[in-house]
Amino acid sequence: DQQVKQNSPSLSVQEGRISILNCDYTNSMFDYFLWYKKYPAEGPTFLISISSIKDKNEDGRFTVFLNKSAKHLSLHIVPSQPGDSAVYFCAASAGENYGGSQGNLIFGKGTKLSVKP
Amino acid sequence: ETGVTQTPRHLVMGMTNKKSLKCEQHLGHNAMYWYKQSAKKPLELMFVYSLEERVENNSVPSRFSPECPNSSHLFLHLHTLQPEDSALYLCASSQDLGENTIYFGEGSWLTVV
Repeated sequence: DQQVKQNSPSLSVQEGRISILNCDYTNSMFDYFLWYKKYPAEGPTFLISISSIKDKNEDGRFTVFLNKSAKHLSLHIVPSQPGDSAVYFCAASAGENYGGSQGNLIFGKGTKLSVKP
Repeated sequence: ETGVTQTPRHLVMGMTNKKSLKCEQHLGHNAMYWYKQSAKKPLELMFVYSLEERVENNSVPSRFSPECPNSSHLFLHLHTLQPEDSALYLCASSQDLGENTIYFGEGSWLTVV
């Protein structure tokens, strides 16, 4: 049973427009969420994160929104650029005191974003 | 230049072979991890090391054997693998075990024939 779900395997957006990547989770113990970006043949790179005490975190063109009641988070990229084309992974953590599973980020399956010039 | 380097980047091995994947982190981190990424599946945590001691093993078959000789190096020894073990194996590190943000290497593509 997946605890972190990215239901859209792919997304195509025109350059300059907004990209919205969605992520849902089922475990109410999750208190920290991250987005990773992955290019082909490379490992995932950390992009942006948000703690459950916030509902928004912004870093340049990237903004993550968290809706705890809906157990939903989204990553907004504005404006989208062709270099943003990659697979984006949502990940969640329950912190080190939950379930004894330290260091265990639960990842979604990823969404492949294609930004067309 | 990535702070976490993995070698080899690509590996093809037979089911009776013994090979090893190597990971080195240059970030001064205390925790290191092995993840597995199979096609169409989420990243799976395999092993966790903190200060060179294994703290977690997520029910990984014994044909995968990790080794952490020091806080900068992590190995994954492979023996009698199966074709379904073909995947991308990612090494990662974080400052400490409780740190949520972890940093990945570029991965080692493993094909078992």
